[in-house]
Amino acid sequence: NAGVTQTPKFQVLKTGQSMTLQCAQDMNHEYMSWYRQDPGMGLRLIHYSVGAGITDQGEVPNGYNVSRSTTEDFPLRLLSAAPSQTSVYFCASSKGQGIVNTQYFGPGTRLTVL
Amino acid sequence: AQSVSQHNHHVILSEAASLELGCNYSYGGTVNLFWYVQYPGQHLQLLLKYFSGDPLVKGIKGFEAEFIKSKFSFNLRKPSVQWSDTAEYFCAVNGGSQGNLIFGKGTKLSVKP
Repeated sequence: NAGVTQTPKFQVLKTGQSMTLQCAQDMNHEYMSWYRQDPGMGLRLIHYSVGAGITDQGEVPNGYNVSRSTTEDFPLRLLSAAPSQTSVYFCASSKGQGIVNTQYFGPGTRLTVL
Repeated sequence: AQSVSQHNHHVILSEAASLELGCNYSYGGTVNLFWYVQYPGQHLQLLLKYFSGDPLVKGIKGFEAEFIKSKFSFNLRKPSVQWSDTAEYFCAVNGGSQGNLIFGKGTKLSVKP
């Protein structure tokens, strides 16, 4: 199993550009989520999904969209990038939506918005 | 709302020193607790977790943590740190039905050789 994969590893955008961060997992996990990591802030939940076709907002959803058309994929879209979205983005997945589950993290995407 | 507090922002130790990193959470119901480690330039890896049972949990690389329900704490310990333990450590709690993790802000550990 490849686990949780993310592409790209690095990305530089100009303000106003759009892009999609890709996340995929091959563990047949129902639950997937996106976090952003900023210095001194820990990880903050952006959006999550408890299964295909179901998504919900986390702590910091503004400026981001998600969709979950398949169990495997959970892309994160930035419609109009802003410098405040400069961060490291981590995708995670776990087996189910209950609390007794361990989340596994992808390698991250480092995004810079100029 | 749930929250997680990590008391130390940056801890500097010499090799062979003992380590204890504090973590407190606020949630009155049943919780699952985790410690993740992030080595420089790498992604988060699970160090250990508590779901139920013995409150003293042993993880990888000689780390352990103790869940003290009355103190809402889940402190991470290691008797003797190594230079390779230099990393950032995150405590996280999961107490909701959706499985969302709430992270602390992290503690950076620097171990001097």
